[in-house]
Amino acid sequence: DAEITQSPRHKITETGRQVTLACHQTWNHNNMFWYRQDLGHGLRLIHYSYGVQDTNKGEVSDGYSVSRSNTEDLPLTLESAASSQTSVYFCASSDRNPGLRAGELFFGEGSRLTVL
Amino acid sequence: GDSVTQMEGPVTLSEEAFLTINCTYTATGYPSLFWYVQYPGEGLQLLLKATKADDKGSNKGFEATYRKETTSFHLEKGSVQVSDSAVYFCALGADTDKLIFGTGTRLQVFP
Repeated sequence: DAEITQSPRHKITETGRQVTLACHQTWNHNNMFWYRQDLGHGLRLIHYSYGVQDTNKGEVSDGYSVSRSNTEDLPLTLESAASSQTSVYFCASSDRNPGLRAGELFFGEGSRLTVL
Repeated sequence: GDSVTQMEGPVTLSEEAFLTINCTYTATGYPSLFWYVQYPGEGLQLLLKATKADDKGSNKGFEATYRKETTSFHLEKGSVQVSDSAVYFCALGADTDKLIFGTGTRLQVFP
């Protein structure tokens, strides 16, 4: 079955370190998204991509970067981790063509990141 | 900008009780509306959706009607089960899949 997987599922790191969260989907979806989930804020969009070599900033992109070198993967990098980036991170994908009415997102199981 | 507001939780109910979780939205266009559910330890999954005014989305006994006049998309279920315990997110999307989510409402159902 096609799926979307995130790794690691749990990570503890120190302030200032670089961290990369992996996201891999086997649906061949063009669209991929990274959200963070925090109490009182729900899910907020960090970065998104509509295809290979395409990346865009979301609502809370400061301190994060992504790259899209193939269809299957959208890794999220925290260049210098901060305590404010302690959160649960969700990757999602969809096959809706940009510009058409919004469709269904398929989510990974999340990556819990703690920055000490 | 576009936004979604949903009721604070947690909502605590006994099994077989009636459920309503309120959701209102602000949007400049005519978005699609969604309810997503997150079970413990899992990612979000689509529960139901509606793409235009007066549409009713339904799934697993849950329903929500897209009300343009009141800018609302309230989630309802006639008889909840313990297995419905989860966090429910209301969301809207315009012309892309960049969904805007509400803050989530935790539902706890006790036997």
